[in-house]
Amino acid sequence: GAVVSQHPSRVICKSGTSVKIECRSLDFQATTMFWYRQFPKQSLMLMATSNEGSKATYEQGVEKDKFLINHASLTLSTLTVTSAHPEDSSFYICSASAFARETQYFGPGTRLLVL
Amino acid sequence: RKEVEQDPGPFNVPEGATVAFNCTYSNSASQSFFWYRQDCRKEPKLLMSVYSSGNEDGRFTAQLNRASQYISLLIRDSKLSDSATYLCVVETRSNFGNEKLTFGTGTRLTIIP
Repeated sequence: GAVVSQHPSRVICKSGTSVKIECRSLDFQATTMFWYRQFPKQSLMLMATSNEGSKATYEQGVEKDKFLINHASLTLSTLTVTSAHPEDSSFYICSASAFARETQYFGPGTRLLVL
Repeated sequence: RKEVEQDPGPFNVPEGATVAFNCTYSNSASQSFFWYRQDCRKEPKLLMSVYSSGNEDGRFTAQLNRASQYISLLIRDSKLSDSATYLCVVETRSNFGNEKLTFGTGTRLTIIP
């Protein structure tokens, strides 16, 4: 299957700092990338969908000014958690698909801990 | 009501046993259905798609009942390596026109030697 990478795999930061997470499709061009968040013992929740070259669409309840998404190329999307707080600590997972209805391939996830 | 509901388990079954998971979904307009597997602290991985006609992949059989909005997964001759959390996933079209995956909370399975 297709390969999607995320960096960093784990990050610990102080409250109030911003954290950038990268999601890369390594062997295919991803027209659509998705960002999910998973709190312990809960399901993955879609945060936003981004199409290359256009603004991301955010799910209800997700603050677009706090979670900045950039999808500037067909192989890279970034999620920036601005002014992170302890309640933002979670497992952030991206996925990528070649076309809107194609299979989503998931990255390995990024564990964020905000102290 | 949750969009996708699963029994969280845990299911602790002996090696070699058959185990069945169930899932219900609330959006009748849902278009595609999947079972994913998620190991501890890892990303989910697609196990199989689910069709109304039922489909089988080795020891795994999945079934969809659109009328009842019910999805099932059957694992036969369970192996120790089957221990994981099994996620029921439903694809719908979002308000923005994108295809969207909605995940259940998962059913945790532990196979006992």
